[in-house]
This record gives sequence, structure tokens and C-alpha cells, in this order.
Amino acid sequence: ETGVTQTPRHLVMGMTNKKSLKCEQHLGHNAMYWYKQSAKKPLELMFVYSLEERVENNSVPSRFSPECPNSSHLFLHLHTLQPEDSALYLCASSQDLSRVTEAFFGQGTRLTVV
Amino acid sequence: AQSVAQPEDQVNVAEGNPLTVKCTYSVSGNPYLFWYVQYPNRGLQFLLKYITGDNLVKGSYGFEAEFNKSQTSFHLKKPSALVSDSALYFCAVRDTGNAGNMLTFGGGTRLMVKP
Repeated sequence: ETGVTQTPRHLVMGMTNKKSLKCEQHLGHNAMYWYKQSAKKPLELMFVYSLEERVENNSVPSRFSPECPNSSHLFLHLHTLQPEDSALYLCASSQDLSRVTEAFFGQGTRLTVV
Repeated sequence: AQSVAQPEDQVNVAEGNPLTVKCTYSVSGNPYLFWYVQYPNRGLQFLLKYITGDNLVKGSYGFEAEFNKSQTSFHLKKPSALVSDSALYFCAVRDTGNAGNMLTFGGGTRLMVKP
């Protein structure tokens, strides 16, 4: 266990549904991240939060909406997704953005859009 | 801009033989380099990192990596492979000239260790 927990582990949703992915860490880290992992593609950084403020948004479609209510929790709200959004969504955390420390990853949520 | 390349989609090695997983990078400043491993249906696990100092870095599970500045490489190595080492391996880089702590990942290399 890395100390980063993601729920649910698997999610199947229709294109008109609204769902949320949850990430939780109790490592005392101040930075949290959402990554998308698609088959045969490099990991794509989606969002970065530092001290609950969004610091990077890599041209992610608005159908993905992140939320960071506190330094221990990160959500990814999903609505009107497309089949090509099916992927493994990984959450990660690190001590902060100012130090070169490794990131700790959750086990991911396997999302299938039908 | 920073980038990292893993030229091999898959590496096959027999158990007990040495293994190498290749990684090359491109940065404008100095690199911070990382290796992660991903087992099936799991997230990424940190293996090792190079920040500064000794070019040979030792990490978890007997893995090591050698930083080579002239060749801009950071290949992952292990003297004797185990079947349980079979997994997906990712190299990542961060440019010290990058104000944030954003990692760029390579496309991954699948390591298959056969008995």
C-alpha cells in the first residue's frame, strides 16, 4: 500500500451519467495529481493541486472537473463522457511542489464509458 | 520542453539473466530522473531516483540505474531477473529549469521474465 487510496476501483458509466472519482491520502502531502493512463499512450497529467489550489490544467475537456476540498482529498467529477475517455485514472500525491520528491500513486480507477 | 523516451515496448529476459530497460531524456537544464513499476491492475510504485551525486543509483527490489549525462540516458538494470519482476516500467524526468514539480513519463516498457 502506498498510502493513496482511490475509490471506486472500477466504474462503468453511460455517456449521460454523472459520477465522481475519489482520492484520499493521509501522508501529510501538500500536492495531489490526476493522471490518465490509456492503452499504448504515455501517462497524461490532467490536473495538479498544491495546498488545495489548482496549479496546472493541461487542456483537459470541461467534462472533467476536479475538486480539492482539503489537502487530503481530491475528486474528479465526470459528466457527459465519451467512449474515448475510458482509461485508468490514477491519483498521486507528493510532499509538495518545491521539492524533488517521488510521487505516491493510488491503485487507480478503471473507467469504462459505454 | 522536457521529454523522455523508452525505445523498447517490451523486453524479454530469462530468469537469472541480467536485465536492462532503456531510457533517454531531453531537458534544457539538469534532469531529475525517476523509475516506477506498475504491476497488473495496480498503480505506479516508486523504484528509484537520481537527483545529484553518484551516477549509479540503487533502489528497491535489487534494481539500480545509471545516469549518463553524455548519452542523456538513465537505463534501469538488475543483475539477476526474477519472474516476479515481470511488469510495466516507466521512466520519468523533471527539468530543474521547470518551476513546478511536474513529471514527464515515458511510454512504458513491458518486462517479461520467463522461467
